[in-house]
Formats: sequence, structure tokens, C-alpha cells
Amino acid sequence: RKEVEQDPGPFNVPEGATVAFNCTYSNSASQSFFWYRQDCRKEPKLLMSVYSSGNEDGRFTAQLNRASQYISLLIRDSKLSDSATYLCVVNELGGSQGNLIFGKGTKLSVKP
Amino acid sequence: SAVISQKPSRDICQRGTSLTIQCQVDSQVTMMFWYRQQPGQSLTLIATANQGSEATYESGFVIDKFPISRPNLTFSTLTVSNMSPEDSSIYLCSTLAGGMETQYFGPGTRLLVL
Repeated sequence: RKEVEQDPGPFNVPEGATVAFNCTYSNSASQSFFWYRQDCRKEPKLLMSVYSSGNEDGRFTAQLNRASQYISLLIRDSKLSDSATYLCVVNELGGSQGNLIFGKGTKLSVKP
Repeated sequence: SAVISQKPSRDICQRGTSLTIQCQVDSQVTMMFWYRQQPGQSLTLIATANQGSEATYESGFVIDKFPISRPNLTFSTLTVSNMSPEDSSIYLCSTLAGGMETQYFGPGTRLLVL
């Protein structure tokens, strides 16, 4: 069975903390990888794609280890507005096939 | 990007009835997808709807239970037929946009079956 597994959470952290989420995927043929953010009672929205070389977008850093089939998301200097559920997403077919496999998500709660 | 709207946003239905969910995209798109997100669970793909062809269903989902229409490049409907309480879920429509793999989602339809 093809799966995406994430840290169960929830993560409760103070403002300004650094927090890391991990994700593993079972299908070694997976083509592309993403982190989505889902706010409470809202639809998922793309946070960032994950590239083999690792990539950074402001306070967010994503890394991919294909050999270990492992993806991570690091959030530095956490803000209250970062509170959400973070979904690890794997596209097994690549390109525009849209066959996304979603993890169950890790809930982050940033406290004042 | 793509802006997606769904109707209804929520509904409470009696078992044995059917509900049709509408999805409208603000631009023409080739592929539209229907997902289900049950409480505390990840999103699960129900089917892929391409204009001009029959929808492709994922394992565990069948056309009789979830008939889909795709009459044009901006619109799709998903019907949840002969509903039972186990169908209570959030149903999300999505599409690909931005030229690559970014998937945009509608706001979802929250369904409660009594």
C-alpha cells in the first residue's frame, strides 16, 4: 500500500520557537513532493514544493532525502499565524497527473 | 492560480437521499479532481474528471455511488448517492494550475448524513 506517514503531533510551541516536521513515503518511484497548509475548517493550500537540493522560503525550509524517502519542513521564528495543520504530499506520477497522496497532517499550535 | 467555488458549502441530509455538489473554476482547466476528507483523516482522491470523457475512479470508489459530470472546462459535479452516515465528510474539488503541479482546492462541502 502506498502511504505517506507524518509525525502525529500536535506540536505546541511558543512564539519564536523553531519546529521541524518529518514525513516518510513508501513509494520510491514518487516524482515530486510538497508541503500544504490547512487552516481549521479551510481547504489545503500549497505552502511550498520540495526539491532535491532543498529549498528555503523565508522562515520555511524544506528538505528531501530520496535515499531514505524522507521529507522535512523546518519553521524558524514561529508566528501565531503559523498555527495550522501541515500536510506532507507526494505526487506519485509527476507532471500534471495530479495523483497526490496526502499524509494525515501534523497540527501545529503556536502560543504567545 | 485558480479560484474555485463549491456549492453547497454545507448540508445535512437524511440517509438514503442523494446530494449533488457543484464545483466552478474561474478558468478553463483540463483536469478536475474530487477528494474526500473524513474527520481526522487525510485527503483521499475519489476520482479524476476530464472534460469529454468518463471520470476515472480510484480504488474503493464507484460510479454508481459517486456519479460525476464534467460538461465543460470550468465546471463539474459530484453526486453522493444513497447516502449513509459513513458518507459524512468534507468533499473537495480541485484542479491543477500555474502551469505545473500546483493543485488548488475549493473551499469544500461539509456533509452530515443523519
